[in-house]
Amino acid sequence: QKEVEQNSGPLSVPEGAIASLNCTYSDRGSQSFFWYRQYSGKSPELIMSIYSNGDKEDGRFTAQLNKASQYVSLLIRDSQPSDSATYLCAVLNAGGTSYGKLTFGQGTILTVHP
Amino acid sequence: DAGVTQSPTHLIKTRGQQVTLRCSPKSGHDTVSWYQQALGQGPQFIFQYYEEEERQRGNFPDRFSGHQFPNYSSELNVNALLLGDSALYLCASSQGPHAYNSPLHFGNGTRLTVT
Repeated sequence: QKEVEQNSGPLSVPEGAIASLNCTYSDRGSQSFFWYRQYSGKSPELIMSIYSNGDKEDGRFTAQLNKASQYVSLLIRDSQPSDSATYLCAVLNAGGTSYGKLTFGQGTILTVHP
Repeated sequence: DAGVTQSPTHLIKTRGQQVTLRCSPKSGHDTVSWYQQALGQGPQFIFQYYEEEERQRGNFPDRFSGHQFPNYSSELNVNALLLGDSALYLCASSQGPHAYNSPLHFGNGTRLTVT
């Protein structure tokens, strides 16, 4: 079982629709959760972080965390063609130390078509 | 405000050679982490440097080594290159090593091709 798994893509949605991206993780000791966006040929860019159960909203983005189910998701409302990118779920686990490493999922390619 | 800078941007090496990649962290950041991203995959954690010491390491062989300098910049060295080392190498910096309260900022990466 992979440590962090994302729903297999690619995901294609029409402009203006809601895009839903999902991620599960295996380590119950995981502390913090992040969503990164990566455009082709570019570096990952942080778009959301979430630390406690529930929803966190930032503009058109909403992150949802359920630690009991070991599940984190990202909703993108009113999707735009500029949202087309690979979305990476990342999970922080300090592994018993005070120093953390991020474990990334394989990424989900999102395409928003006009 | 300079972000994370990496050099070189592209590199082509032959199997068995050695390579050094360089990274300058974002202003105000003192922790550097290195990640390897193969095509179509998510980044894989190599190691993290804080206060000039390797603090945590991922599942990479000893051929991968690093260094952090007093000015917080860092180098990644890979010896005895294999074809499978071909990837995008990402440097990420943060303020302190505890990423739960200091998200990572990534550089644009170095694309390494091993032939």
